[in-house]
Amino acid sequence: DARVTQTPRHKVTEMGQEVTMRCQPILGHNTVFWYRQTMMQGLELLAYFRNRAPLDDSGMPKDRFSAEMPDATLATLKIQPSEPRDSAVYFCASGLVASGGGRDTQYFGPGTRLTVL
Amino acid sequence: AQSVTQLGSHVSVSEGALVLLRCNYSSSVPPYLFWYVQYPNQGLQLLLKYTTGATLVKGINGFEAEFKKSETSFHLTKPSAHMSDAAEYFCAVSEIQGAQKLVFGQGTRLTINP
Repeated sequence: DARVTQTPRHKVTEMGQEVTMRCQPILGHNTVFWYRQTMMQGLELLAYFRNRAPLDDSGMPKDRFSAEMPDATLATLKIQPSEPRDSAVYFCASGLVASGGGRDTQYFGPGTRLTVL
Repeated sequence: AQSVTQLGSHVSVSEGALVLLRCNYSSSVPPYLFWYVQYPNQGLQLLLKYTTGATLVKGINGFEAEFKKSETSFHLTKPSAHMSDAAEYFCAVSEIQGAQKLVFGQGTRLTINP
């Protein structure tokens, strides 16, 4: 049963510290998404990649957030420095977009619950 | 720009009663529409999706939704609620053309009363 995995599941850190969240997409998927979920804003798209290339990161605060895909099996979301307002659940999702444009469902990971004190 | 409005942030029904969760969307191009369910402390799981073809879509756990273009709606229903249906439900839209990214509604928390 293929799943998206995310680590860590929970992270508590102090303001100013660097936070790195990792995601392993489903093998064979070529699109990876990062979402943030908060009570106030709901689910927001932060960034997404296709074939490891960033397509859109307009939802991400550029000054402190960065997202990368070092290889096809790993996506990272980094916050440096972290702030209390970054406290949220961060979800990774992956999907498959065929060359002809056909698209698949997005499959979500369990999320990383981040608390910044 | 696309948007999704879910009417009612909280819905409460009795076990065995009809479940109706409302979703209206706005899109300048033909949409793909989705319902996801989120159980406590878990990620989102796809319930069902509409892409093209039949407008009545059946999903997992007895849920179904009907795409009504004239009403720009994609309401989720289940004839008989079960206690295990208690969760948060999200409606989402994406464009058929272009990016695959999803735009989510604010979510509806469904409570089932015994």
